[in-house]
Amino acid sequence: DIQLTQSPSSLSAAVGDSVTITCRASQIISSFVNWYQQRPGKAPELLIYAASNLKSGVPSRFSGSVSGPNFTLSISSLQPEDFAIYHCQQSYSSPVSFGGGTKVEF
Amino acid sequence: QVQLQESGPGLVKPSQTLSLTCSVSGDSVSIGRYYWSWVRQPAGKGLEWIGRIYSGGSTSYNPSLKSRVTVSLDTSTNQFSLRLSSVTAADTAVYYCAREWGVRRYFDSWGQGTLVAVSS
Repeated sequence: DIQLTQSPSSLSAAVGDSVTITCRASQIISSFVNWYQQRPGKAPELLIYAASNLKSGVPSRFSGSVSGPNFTLSISSLQPEDFAIYHCQQSYSSPVSFGGGTKVEF
Repeated sequence: QVQLQESGPGLVKPSQTLSLTCSVSGDSVSIGRYYWSWVRQPAGKGLEWIGRIYSGGSTSYNPSLKSRVTVSLDTSTNQFSLRLSSVTAADTAVYYCAREWGVRRYFDSWGQGTLVAVSS
């Protein structure tokens, strides 16, 4: 099974900051990573699919990239509603799997 | 706009079977563009994919749970269901149903989730 290691597990930031979250796969998985945002008490919501494609309606301050086994979610100019947990997910092979999550907090 | 809603008991006794249903509106579970999946999340932990079913009825399960899981489809009611047998406290989690885009395997719509506790 493919393992995803997310880092950091948590980070502190302020409104207006830019943050970067990394997801490292245990093997090369092309661009088969998706990113989700989960606000407290809510279901995850898709942000980015296929490493760098923004879901329709998601603000452009969110972006994704890939370099080898390393995937990055970047958020520029954090907004109050961005304080949440972010999850990466690999869809290269079954079983699909998720990273451990990154909590972005004040 | 598709909507998914989980329903089922919030408390299950150890060794019994957990049963949940996901009601889908705004889309048809019998159209073959999507898979219909279950994902769970223990409190304070990450997400775990449980299994999926396709419109034709084919299924795929996480090997870690495969011996205990059944996902089924009811096209007449536009619902799909999860059964997890021989539950223990480790199965206590929020259970989500989700629509999974078949080509790239991302979850583009989720139910709100339902907490299932395993306790005597």
